[in-house]
Amino acid sequence: DQQVKQNSPSLSVQEGRISILNCDYTNSMFDYFLWYKKYPAEGPTFLISISSIKDKNEDGRFTVFLNKSAKHLSLHIVPSQPGDSAVYFCAANSGGSNYKLTFGKGTLLTVNP
Amino acid sequence: DAGVTQSPTHLIKTRGQHVTLRCSPISGHKSVSWYQQVLGQGPQFIFQYYEKEERGRGNFPDRFSARQFPNYSSELNVNALLLGDSALYLCASSSYLTGGNTIYFGEGSWLTVV
Repeated sequence: DQQVKQNSPSLSVQEGRISILNCDYTNSMFDYFLWYKKYPAEGPTFLISISSIKDKNEDGRFTVFLNKSAKHLSLHIVPSQPGDSAVYFCAANSGGSNYKLTFGKGTLLTVNP
Repeated sequence: DAGVTQSPTHLIKTRGQHVTLRCSPISGHKSVSWYQQVLGQGPQFIFQYYEKEERGRGNFPDRFSARQFPNYSSELNVNALLLGDSALYLCASSSYLTGGNTIYFGEGSWLTVV
């Protein structure tokens, strides 16, 4: 039962263009969403997060949009750079009594020079 | 400031053996969680400890156990290793018990079971 889904295993974009990574979730108890970036042989690095009470959060080139009614969020990277090439994981947290993150399977982003 | 540190970084074990993985959280962080990531999947939650008490457990067999020490470091133990236990084991450190964006991961311990 995949509660967090990243339906695109891979995405390829040109340098300077926008990258849009998508994530869908099924558990309406999730109230916090995070995006992580992962290079091979390294642990996930926190990128940006959003609370369920917001619909947008920006941090530099990264913007996350949340559509609660559709149970959908997306990460926009503008402009994309070759160094952004990595696997991006969407994760969700339902707060409450523990700190469990539920992850999607990830999307491999390749930014071509 | 040091980030989350894990040891060992790589190890190879034989089926049936036992393994201990170690994690030191970011200074000041009292919560440690463990995740397993197999190839092609996202990390899967194994345990969370806060103030030395288990606060959450994922869907893993009893062969998996963990503990947190007074200095907030943690160990993950896996007994009777199976080939399917081969994975990247990630430790995550956080300063609060619930929610928020203060969850930081170490670089992981790569376990290969042969």
